[in-house]
Amino acid sequence: AQTVTQSQPEMSVQEAETVTLSCTYDTSESNYYLFWYKQPPSRQMILVIRQEAYKQQNATENRFSVNFQKAAKSFSLKISDSQLGDTAMYFCAFMYGTASKLTFGTGTRLQVTL
Amino acid sequence: EAGVAQSPRYKIIEKRQSVAFWCNPISGHATLYWYQQILGQGPKLLIQFQNNGVVDDSQLPKDRFSAERLKGVDSTLKIQPAKLEDSAVYLCASSLGGLWRETQYFGPGTRLLVL
Repeated sequence: AQTVTQSQPEMSVQEAETVTLSCTYDTSESNYYLFWYKQPPSRQMILVIRQEAYKQQNATENRFSVNFQKAAKSFSLKISDSQLGDTAMYFCAFMYGTASKLTFGTGTRLQVTL
Repeated sequence: EAGVAQSPRYKIIEKRQSVAFWCNPISGHATLYWYQQILGQGPKLLIQFQNNGVVDDSQLPKDRFSAERLKGVDSTLKIQPAKLEDSAVYLCASSLGGLWRETQYFGPGTRLLVL
């Protein structure tokens, strides 16, 4: 069975600073996709960034980047120049197989402060 | 482009009552998902439709939950009878063709409280 673990229930960062959210996963699959989703308070979940396991290059999307360590089964999210609008729950998720099912971690609540 | 629509946004019922949730996916999206998100946990897939056929319902409690997607567009998820542990946010998501690498787009969710 595939599992996703987020060991940081809550984190806080000051505006304009950089923060890294951790995620580890367990799988016997060799080809899969990893995602970070953002869920702002009372708003819908949106995709932040995705990484294909067969690609060695780490994905980046503007201020968001990942550190993908396949051997260590680690997939951390770095947010640079944090903004107040980054305040949200962040979920790490895993996908493999033709059914395209997402398996989520328990989430990290990020608070960006002034 | 309109996003995934869900209704109602909130629902409070008593245990043993029945409830239904509605989802309208993004236009043209063939695949529709229902997830259950219990407080403090990540979403868990309940059922996945490809057009109007079920692809995966392995985690759907079939003794009390049912879902349908008539005509391959809108979908309803029903709980009958509800239990206290069904209190959660029910998220609907859709993707374009159901290929396993496609992005899933989520609706705002329906927050259910069972008393």
